[in-house]
Amino acid sequence: AQSVTQLGSHVSVSEGALVLLRCNYSSSVPPYLFWYVQYPNQGLQLLLKYTTGATLVKGINGFEAEFKKSETSFHLTKPSAHMSDAAEYFCAVSGLGQGGKLIFGQGTELSVKP
Amino acid sequence: ETGVTQSPTHLIKTRGQQVTLRCSSQSGHNTVSWYQQALGQGPQFIFQYYREEENGRGNFPPRFSGLQFPNYSSELNVNALELDDSALYLCASSRLLDSMNTEAFFGQGTRLTVV
Repeated sequence: AQSVTQLGSHVSVSEGALVLLRCNYSSSVPPYLFWYVQYPNQGLQLLLKYTTGATLVKGINGFEAEFKKSETSFHLTKPSAHMSDAAEYFCAVSGLGQGGKLIFGQGTELSVKP
Repeated sequence: ETGVTQSPTHLIKTRGQQVTLRCSSQSGHNTVSWYQQALGQGPQFIFQYYREEENGRGNFPPRFSGLQFPNYSSELNVNALELDDSALYLCASSRLLDSMNTEAFFGQGTRLTVV
């Protein structure tokens, strides 16, 4: 069984500040981990993914995430927030042999203050 | 833009009616997955179709059914609509090869409102 917990349903940062969105997962198979972003009334866009290999993953728009197996975490970070980063962010888990079926967390809404 | 298109974009139905949502997958993809996203929630996996057959199902009742066509496009059908079926329905296409799946590309979704 797999599950995802996103800590904090809402995160607010100032423009230029560090963005940290937390994700913890549970998986009975080696996990594949993803971060998606969703803008209002739109579908999901993939920010980055971890399958195997390097545990620090870089994605689009300056985001990165680090897979920490010992902590079962995959937190998303960005050094400097932009106003355009304001959106809903979802962490998701899949796994080897799961055929790409994604289990999503509840989401974290990111607000960026000028 | 992902190349995954869904229709219609918005839909209003009455409780008890039936609805069909459509999805055209990205070129080169052979797998379509459907997700339900209730307001303020993360998407929940409904089912996946691969080579025109259901390839896994989430915790949804049988009144949620689907089809995949030879061109890999797909339909989601929901019978006997309930108020709680109101949600954004997302289609995702990907390529499945030897149980390894490429990343999923999502469409813009269909917003279904049941009144």
